[in-house]
Amino acid sequence: DTAVSQTPKYLVTQMGNDKSIKCEQNLGHDTMYWYKQDSKKFLKIMFSYNNKELIINETVPNRFSPKSPDKAHLNLHINSLELGDSAVYFCASSPYQGGNTEAFFGQGTRLTVV
Amino acid sequence: AQSVTQPDIHITVSEGASLELRCNYSYGATPYLFWYVQSPGQGLQLLLKYFSGDTLVQGIKGFEAEFKRSQSSFNLRKPSVHWSDAAEYFCAVGARAAGNKLTFGGGTRVLVKP
Repeated sequence: DTAVSQTPKYLVTQMGNDKSIKCEQNLGHDTMYWYKQDSKKFLKIMFSYNNKELIINETVPNRFSPKSPDKAHLNLHINSLELGDSAVYFCASSPYQGGNTEAFFGQGTRLTVV
Repeated sequence: AQSVTQPDIHITVSEGASLELRCNYSYGATPYLFWYVQSPGQGLQLLLKYFSGDTLVQGIKGFEAEFKRSQSSFNLRKPSVHWSDAAEYFCAVGARAAGNKLTFGGGTRVLVKP
């Protein structure tokens, strides 16, 4: 069983479209995250949720809207996609918030905006 | 705010040779430190972590890392590299504040020569 699963794995879409990426974890963790990895492999946190509550929002454009229907799911919706949104998006989870806990990562979703 | 620097963008090593990847961090208190590995097209897998205690930590796949507070470093080592160790390696520091935000270094790409 995959611990943190994301769908889709690849997403190619045109500028201006709206798309969603789904993430589910079956680890029973309280905290979930979205990270963005750019073309230079630099990883940066976008959002963090703890028990469905938004904890971190790292100055991400309003076009990005995370939604956590329950603590096992954290989806990412992106409106009006731009070329600069092309990246690999990683979902992750950890048992709780606090720093001294390992994050488990999904396989990533490679988003290409054309 | 915390930050992580990985000075080496690329390292090429011969199979069977030793490997050391450098990581320097900046954080106002005792850090939580992590090393993750990313194989091509894959998500991130935790190699090892340091929270407290013994400054030499052992991880998976024969890796170890040493925390040196005086040098603000957490270098990763492996005595004998295998071809399967070719990957991107990321050092990260975890925040104690709510949200368990991981701040990553820029990564080091390891190439293994036969």
